[in-house]
Order: sequence, then C-alpha cells, then structure tokens
Amino acid sequence: AQTVTQSQPEMSVQEAETVTLSCTYDTSESDYYLFWYKQPPSRQMILVIRQEAYKQQNATENRFSVNFQKAAKSFSLKISDSQLGDAAMYFCAYRSADAGGTSYGKLTFGQGTILTVHP
Amino acid sequence: KAGVTQTPRYLIKTRGQQVTLSCSPISGHRSVSWYQQTPGQGLQFLFEYFSETQRNKGNFPGRFSGRQFSNSRSEMNVSTLELGDSALYLCASSLAPGSYEQYFGPGTRLTVT
Repeated sequence: AQTVTQSQPEMSVQEAETVTLSCTYDTSESDYYLFWYKQPPSRQMILVIRQEAYKQQNATENRFSVNFQKAAKSFSLKISDSQLGDAAMYFCAYRSADAGGTSYGKLTFGQGTILTVHP
Repeated sequence: KAGVTQTPRYLIKTRGQQVTLSCSPISGHRSVSWYQQTPGQGLQFLFEYFSETQRNKGNFPGRFSGRQFSNSRSEMNVSTLELGDSALYLCASSLAPGSYEQYFGPGTRLTVT
C-alpha cells in the first residue's frame, strides 16, 4: 500500500516571501502521479499542481513549483511571492497509474500542512 | 461548465439513523469518487464508481455503501450512524478512472449527535 507523509503540520510565511512544503511518499510502483491540493477555509479542494512520475522535469504553475526527487520519493511544493490568498491547508496526494491495479483512480493523501501568510 | 455539486451541504443526524448524500459530477464525467475527511484520520478514500459499477472500495465498514446512476450521478449511504461518522464527505469527478485530474465538490458536512 502507498503512503504519503507531510511532516510539517503548520508553516508560516511573510507576504511576498517564498515557502516550501515537504512531502514524502512510499510506493513500490514505478508509474504514478503526484499532486498538491489546496483546501481554503471554504473546504473546496483545488488542484494546485501535478507531476507525472515518468517526467524528470519539475512541474511549474505560475508561482507554484515542485521539486520532484523520484529516487528519494520526495515531492516538495515551493510557493514564490506568497499572497494572502495562499493561506490554506495544503495536501500532497498520490495516485497509481497502473490501470490493472486495485488502487487505480484512488487518491492517497498526506495529513496536510496548514499554511499561514502574514501581511 | 458547472462544477461538481453535492447535496445537501450540511446535515445533522442522530445516532442509529441513516443518511444519503448526493453528488452530481461535471457534465461528461463518468467517474465519481468519495472521500471522508475528519480531523483525526484526514482524507480517506471511500469508493469509486464508473459506468454504474463500483471499481474500488476503501477500508470502511459495510454500513457505508454507494451507487451510481446512468446519468453518472452518485449517492452514498451510511446506515446505523455512529458519532465517529461525523465528517466532511467529499465527492470528486473525472472523465474516467485513469483521468489525470479529479475535480472536487464543496462537500457535505455531516454531524451525528
């Protein structure tokens, strides 16, 4: 079974600064997807960024980028130029890409990191 | 295009009752997954439906069940409610089980007293 671990229950950052959220995962699979989701106080889960395991290039979406280290099974999220609207709970998630596997389609989430942005 | 909708948004039930939650996926999406979110256990996968068939099930007791209709709308049912069933229940839709992205609804907040 796959597991996802977020070791930082809470993080804080000053507006306009950069912050990095950590995530590690454990899997025996070679093909999978990794995601970062944001959950603001409204509770609506929003996809922030995604990464395919077979791609060596780190994904980037505007101010959000990841550092994907497949051998180390590490997937951190960097938020640059932090904004007040970035304050939320952030979840790292794993999904198998094995269409014949029993966990295909299922997202496995980490425990989440609460990000506070100070003005 | 309308997003994923879930009804009701809030629900209060008493122990022993049963409850049915509804999820309407994004138009054209045929896969629906359900997740339970609690402060203690975090986000846990309940089940996934595709083309009216349950493809995958998480580690939950048989009191938790679901179904999917021909229009892809899905319902989940919890019978004999327990206090520990109090949670936010999230529904996510995607084009198919292997689709890249899952889009989440706003959730149903269930409180069991």
